Amino acid sequence: SYELTQPPSLSVSPGQTATMTCSGTNLGDKYTSWYRQKPGQSPVLIIYQDFRRPAGIPERFSGSNSGNTATLSISGTQATDEADYYCQAWDSNNVIFGGGTKLTVL
Amino acid sequence: EVQLMVSGGGLIQPGGSLRLSCVASGLTVSKNYMIWVRQAPSKGLEWVSVLTSESGSYYADSVRGRFSISRDNSMNTLHLQMNSLRVEDTGVYYCARENPPHGMDVWGRGTTVTVSS
Repeated sequence: SYELTQPPSLSVSPGQTATMTCSGTNLGDKYTSWYRQKPGQSPVLIIYQDFRRPAGIPERFSGSNSGNTATLSISGTQATDEADYYCQAWDSNNVIFGGGTKLTVL
Repeated sequence: EVQLMVSGGGLIQPGGSLRLSCVASGLTVSKNYMIWVRQAPSKGLEWVSVLTSESGSYYADSVRGRFSISRDNSMNTLHLQMNSLRVEDTGVYYCARENPPHGMDVWGRGTTVTVSS
């Protein structure tokens, strides 16, 4: 079965760029979405179709997808960006989530 | 306002059954891909099932044969019938909407299912 792999954690300083990866075989051939989840809250869509942002998501959030890796970047990271971030793709009719990356803003 | 209201969770013994409901407002369940996602305590998101706008139903390996997804068009509601529940089914269950490949842009608040003796 298809798998998406994310590093479990990432730490950045405020104002820096946080770059998170999501790896899967030929992931670049699929569309990737990204979700942010804060403790006790439902996930929120922040990127879809690899790089598109839903209304209301700041331009600080950007995405790309090529080869075997999709990437989520957050520029000018703020303390409020601390959260778990999940990548997601479709494999046939199955939804696949990555294991999530916990972003810490030190 | 587009909204999904999830209900039906609770404490249930192993082997028991529960039926979750997801009532939609501001969107039509039958015209969207409707998805159940769960999250075990302190764990990541896990896909459970999807019901497509073409009425195709698909399940994660971990629940296939035990869970059943359906919709009531007259009530604009998505259901998840969960049978033969196991301890490992414990978690928060969310429903979400997607029009692929636009991502799951609407999520319900989630309902907690606890399977324990």
